[in-house]
Amino acid sequence: GDSVTQMEGPVTLSEEAFLTINCTYTATGYPSLFWYVQYPGEGLQLLLKATKADDKGSNKGFEATYRKETTSFHLEKGSVQVSDSAVYFCALTYTGNQFYFGTGTSLTVIP
Amino acid sequence: NAGVTQTPKFQVLKTGQSMTLQCAQDMNHEYMSWYRQDPGMGLRLIHYSVGAGITDQGEVPNGYNVSRSTTEDFPLRLLSAAPSQTSVYFCASSYGVGQGVNGYTFGSGTRLTVV
Repeated sequence: GDSVTQMEGPVTLSEEAFLTINCTYTATGYPSLFWYVQYPGEGLQLLLKATKADDKGSNKGFEATYRKETTSFHLEKGSVQVSDSAVYFCALTYTGNQFYFGTGTSLTVIP
Repeated sequence: NAGVTQTPKFQVLKTGQSMTLQCAQDMNHEYMSWYRQDPGMGLRLIHYSVGAGITDQGEVPNGYNVSRSTTEDFPLRLLSAAPSQTSVYFCASSYGVGQGVNGYTFGSGTRLTVV
């Protein structure tokens, strides 16, 4: 079946450090891939997406590239800020309706 | 502001009580869904609806009922609450199939505790 696996957290970084959160997927077809972010006490917000292989999604300094050959969609940011502290979820979907979410990775950025 | 509105934000129930979690969206989205979020388990789909009058089960439907009488509203009912239903519940909506993979819009969540 379809599933998403994320790196275990929590992740703690100093401000301006480089961030990578690993995400790999198992899919029976050709899904679209997403990263969502959840700030404390809020619902999930769409961060970025990629709909086909080799696409790069980007938003707010975050990037992720859809790698079909390694079935991965790793999230990266060159210089994190305290305001990036949140929980990050990787997800896949075929139709834009039913999503399969990873378990989430908590990120804390310290000044 | 347009979006998905969930009420209440917090609720404490006693075992065996019933309640309804409300969800409304004003974006004319065809698809609506309910997820529960538990530590270490991510989000799991409870029920979903692809349009008014149509609902279906997700991954963890037991103990929950839904209905979709209008496009805007998608309430989630707990008929007899159990401690295992202690969780954070999220309602989400999106455009229908074939209208682009744009992702969900999520509500802000309902934190439910069953004692």
